Amino acid sequence: EDQVTQSPEALRLQEGESSSLNCSYTVSGLRGLFWYRQDPGKGPEFLFTLYSAGEEKEKERLKATLTKKESFLHITAPKPEDSATYLCAVQALSGGATNKLIFGTGTLLAVQP
Amino acid sequence: ETGVTQSPTHLIKTRGQQVTLRCSSQSGHNTVSWYQQALGQGPQFIFQYYREEENGRGNFPPRFSGLQFPNYSSELNVNALELDDSALYLCATDTMTSSTDTQYFGPGTRLTVL
Repeated sequence: EDQVTQSPEALRLQEGESSSLNCSYTVSGLRGLFWYRQDPGKGPEFLFTLYSAGEEKEKERLKATLTKKESFLHITAPKPEDSATYLCAVQALSGGATNKLIFGTGTLLAVQP
Repeated sequence: ETGVTQSPTHLIKTRGQQVTLRCSSQSGHNTVSWYQQALGQGPQFIFQYYREEENGRGNFPPRFSGLQFPNYSSELNVNALELDDSALYLCATDTMTSSTDTQYFGPGTRLTVL
């Protein structure tokens, strides 16, 4: 069964304290791995797509990396406005005709000033 | 801005009632997917429509149904509401020009079932 596990469930950082979020996945075949940011009560906001092991993408203080079994979202010198839930999702070959996303439960990040 | 809108923002229903949620996307986004997100959980795939036909369904009972219209709008209908249906309902759209198209989400509809 295709599955996504994120850790930690929650993370509290001081402003400027860098850290990483983990997303491990088990899929029959990976089409793509997606990172989204979600603010409370709102829809997920797209951040990155990664397709193959070794790929990296960056946007401001965020950098996403991908291996054959997991992905990391590195946050460098975070600011309070980076506080949100970060969701990881995969598209698997088992999805057939659909490009449905299989999500993890997310990491709740709180950055304190 | 994703160009995806949903209505209503919030909705309160009682057990056994029926509800219709709506989603509208931008021109060219001919695929719409619906997800259910319970509190503290990741979104769960309900079903997907491509060019007005259902082309995939998750682990949800038949009382969850949908429609997609030619004007890039769609509906999610839920019959015989249960308490566990309380959740944030999200629609996501993409162009389906490749198998790994990015899905862009709307702001969601918060449904509370009493």
